[in-house]
Amino acid sequence: QSALTQPASVSGSPGQSITISCTGTSSDVGNYNYVSWYQQHPGKAPKLMIYDVSYRPSGVSNRFSGSKSGNTASLTISGLQAEDEADYFCSSYSSISILKLFGGGTKLTVL
Amino acid sequence: QVQLQQWGAGLLKPSETLSLTCAVYGGSLSAYYWSWIRQPPGKGLEWIGEVSHSGSTNYNPSLKSRVTISVDRSKNQFSLRLTSVTAADTAAYYCARPVRTSRDAFEIWGQGTMVTVSS
Repeated sequence: QSALTQPASVSGSPGQSITISCTGTSSDVGNYNYVSWYQQHPGKAPKLMIYDVSYRPSGVSNRFSGSKSGNTASLTISGLQAEDEADYFCSSYSSISILKLFGGGTKLTVL
Repeated sequence: QVQLQQWGAGLLKPSETLSLTCAVYGGSLSAYYWSWIRQPPGKGLEWIGEVSHSGSTNYNPSLKSRVTISVDRSKNQFSLRLTSVTAADTAAYYCARPVRTSRDAFEIWGQGTMVTVSS
């Protein structure tokens, strides 16, 4: 089972908005609203930022938002801040073998 | 506030068995599926498998032949065993609990255990 496809890196200046894409197939992202996004700082455990495509856990800033169109999910971060610099991973339920898939990760650089 | 505390051997030789345990503090095992996830150095995340409070399991097909995840309700813990390890199993291993309403979104994570396989 292939991982979900994410860009290796994205960058933006403080205050700007960026979007990270996550492309899957009709067996995962395309047919299920079980897409999650995680933020990971170096040496730390991942932190859940978005689940079920667009829901934010308690305590997560509303600068983070999620959406989906077809087989591609997206994470948008508005009003970029220096502390947003991290790796971001998407995840989706897959109907193939009840598997949970992750993307390869995207490194966000705040310029 | 639920917390996960994990432990286990950090250095293994090829062909040995990886064994990690995750204790749940501040909450119960009930009503959730509990997962193990790993991350090779500098790479992405890989879901290993999950166990329910009653012991039902689901595994990543790529690891299924070598993985056992079990639960000990009396100790409020769950464990991972991975047999016949190789260098490809070198990774940070995390235990995790999903959000209540979505089994596929991991809200609470253990601190991680770096496991290195080397002769």
